[in-house]
Amino acid sequence: NAGVTQTPKFRVLKTGQSMTLLCAQDMNHEYMYWYRQDPGMGLRLIHYSVGEGTTAKGEVPDGYNVSRLKKQNFLLGLESAAPSQTSVYFCASSYQGRNTDTQYFGPGTRLTVL
Amino acid sequence: GEDVEQSLFLSVREGDSSVINCTYTDSSSTYLYWYKQEPGAGLQLLTYIFSNMDMKQDQRLTVLLNKKDKHLSLRIADTQTGDSAIYFCAERFFHDKIIFGKGTRLHILP
Repeated sequence: NAGVTQTPKFRVLKTGQSMTLLCAQDMNHEYMYWYRQDPGMGLRLIHYSVGEGTTAKGEVPDGYNVSRLKKQNFLLGLESAAPSQTSVYFCASSYQGRNTDTQYFGPGTRLTVL
Repeated sequence: GEDVEQSLFLSVREGDSSVINCTYTDSSSTYLYWYKQEPGAGLQLLTYIFSNMDMKQDQRLTVLLNKKDKHLSLRIADTQTGDSAIYFCAERFFHDKIIFGKGTRLHILP
């Protein structure tokens, strides 16, 4: 049982390049989330999904797209990377979205945009 | 709006109690959480408290909630070197939105 995994762990992009971050969970969780964490700031929700085939905007969705084609995977895409998107990205999943459902976090992807 | 504030840094001697504080502005939250983040790792849920509770104890952890003052605290008894991490408080609202604080870095002195 690997929990929540993220690939890649590190990535450096040039401004304007595109990339996709992959999140996978093997716990059969319905809900999945993408957050970004910036120095001196808490986590901010980018997008989330309440089930396969669904996505919804979070607090800071601009510049990102997501897809949930399979229940176990949640992809985060940057179509044209900008330096402001330099951050650590965390994926999380939970069984459902209930208040007491624990969100399990992945180890993070450190992205630098030059 | 919804905002969660924490002090950024706390230094405690090993064996003492650590108290990490958090204040929030929107009292309509349903649950409040404490997460721990160790270096290079994701967040790990430590404990949570329902918004109509005043206190919750879980082994070395004690959560106190003062709804009148909109203040949440996490007390770690007998602080150990393994407790060194960043601690985040977070509020959850009915519409599934979770707001995180900026995190408090707990440093353990020998």
